[in-house]
Amino acid sequence: DAGVIQSPRHEVTEMGQEVTLRCKPISGHDYLFWYRQTMMRGLELLIYFNNNVPIDDSGMPEDRFSAKMPNASFSTLKIQPSEPRDSAVYFCASSFTGSNEKLFFGSGTQLSVL
Amino acid sequence: DAKTTQPPSMDCAEGRAANLPCNHSTISGNEYVYWYRQIHSQGPQYIIHGLKNNETNEMASLIITEDRKSSTLILPHATLRDTAVYYCIAQGAQKLVFGQGTRLTINP
Repeated sequence: DAGVIQSPRHEVTEMGQEVTLRCKPISGHDYLFWYRQTMMRGLELLIYFNNNVPIDDSGMPEDRFSAKMPNASFSTLKIQPSEPRDSAVYFCASSFTGSNEKLFFGSGTQLSVL
Repeated sequence: DAKTTQPPSMDCAEGRAANLPCNHSTISGNEYVYWYRQIHSQGPQYIIHGLKNNETNEMASLIITEDRKSSTLILPHATLRDTAVYYCIAQGAQKLVFGQGTRLTINP
């Protein structure tokens, strides 16, 4: 298996633009997580899904952020409109029921909002 | 979720055992102890987890005190590639919440 695949690896955009980050979890995994990492705040859990259904989105910073999981093999995290303070590395992770929270992380998307 | 306390940084000589402590004095009976590490610019990587018994795998050993209020991650023969931030997490829910971790530097 190729592991969790995220795209793009790097994204540079201007303030006010829409940004879409993509994630393909490991096949067979039924949990998917979106994390954000900054120097100031460390790794923050934004939202997670179970069987494509959002379970906890309490970490989503504000209405500008939205996440979807239309099927078991694909998820998106969208920021609209983007702001400079959204600059961070965004990680996607997946796991399966019964794995005792053994998460597999992707390589992340480095987002820079100018 | 139990709060964990880790030293912000540690150093270890290459080839020696690296012992990373974690305090989780408020851990409850159904909460596991997890360890992850993050090598620079990569996503976090699972290392090991345990409930109350000591655990060992190909990467490391986890020693949990009998009262479960603290634990130690042991990397038996540290290499330069083990330089990373190590996160200790104590909780039982599906979602994992990461703290600030310990920045471990392995010196040649």
